[in-house]
Amino acid sequence: EDKVVQSPLSLVVHEGDTVTLNCSYEVTNFRSLLWYKQEKKAPTFLFMLTSSGIEKKSGRLSSILDKKELFSILNITATQTGDSAIYLCAFVNFGNEKLTFGTGTRLTIIP
Amino acid sequence: DSGVTQTPKHLITATGQRVTLRCSPRSGDLSVYWYQQSLDQGLQFLIQYYNGEERAKGNILERFSAQQFPDLHSELNLSSLELGDSALYFCASSPRTTNTGELFFGEGSRLTVL
Repeated sequence: EDKVVQSPLSLVVHEGDTVTLNCSYEVTNFRSLLWYKQEKKAPTFLFMLTSSGIEKKSGRLSSILDKKELFSILNITATQTGDSAIYLCAFVNFGNEKLTFGTGTRLTIIP
Repeated sequence: DSGVTQTPKHLITATGQRVTLRCSPRSGDLSVYWYQQSLDQGLQFLIQYYNGEERAKGNILERFSAQQFPDLHSELNLSSLELGDSALYFCASSPRTTNTGELFFGEGSRLTVL
């Protein structure tokens, strides 16, 4: 059965620290891997990764996919309190429309 | 604001009752997805519609049903409610004909079953 596992489950760091969140997957007919940020309510889209080794970057956030080792990482540099959220990893496979989420990493930034 | 509208935001009801959750997708988006988020199970895919037709089905209980109307809004019907149905129900929409994963989520409808 296809699955995605995120680690750590939770993480507490101080403002200014750099964090790395992990997502490993076992997926047949893999199409894309995505990262979402969920603060209080609705998840919001961060990145979509389809090719191995190509870094996606948005401000202090960046992400990369390794299709050989079947994992992705999400890096956040110079963390701020506004980065506190649950970060969700998800995948889509070809021939199936659904987006399957991991259980998420709860990130807490201490001022 | 994602542009996806869900109503009601909160709903409290009793076991055995039936409720309807409503979703209006972003303007122009043809695909609508329903997800259930509970504390112990994370975000679980329920069902997807594309332009009025069911496209994909996930772990949706037989007590639950959904539909997408010609104006593209969607409704999720939950019947014979149980305590375990208490959760946050999200609707999401996508502009693409096939799902690459970039979904726009509504704020959710929080259902509490007492």
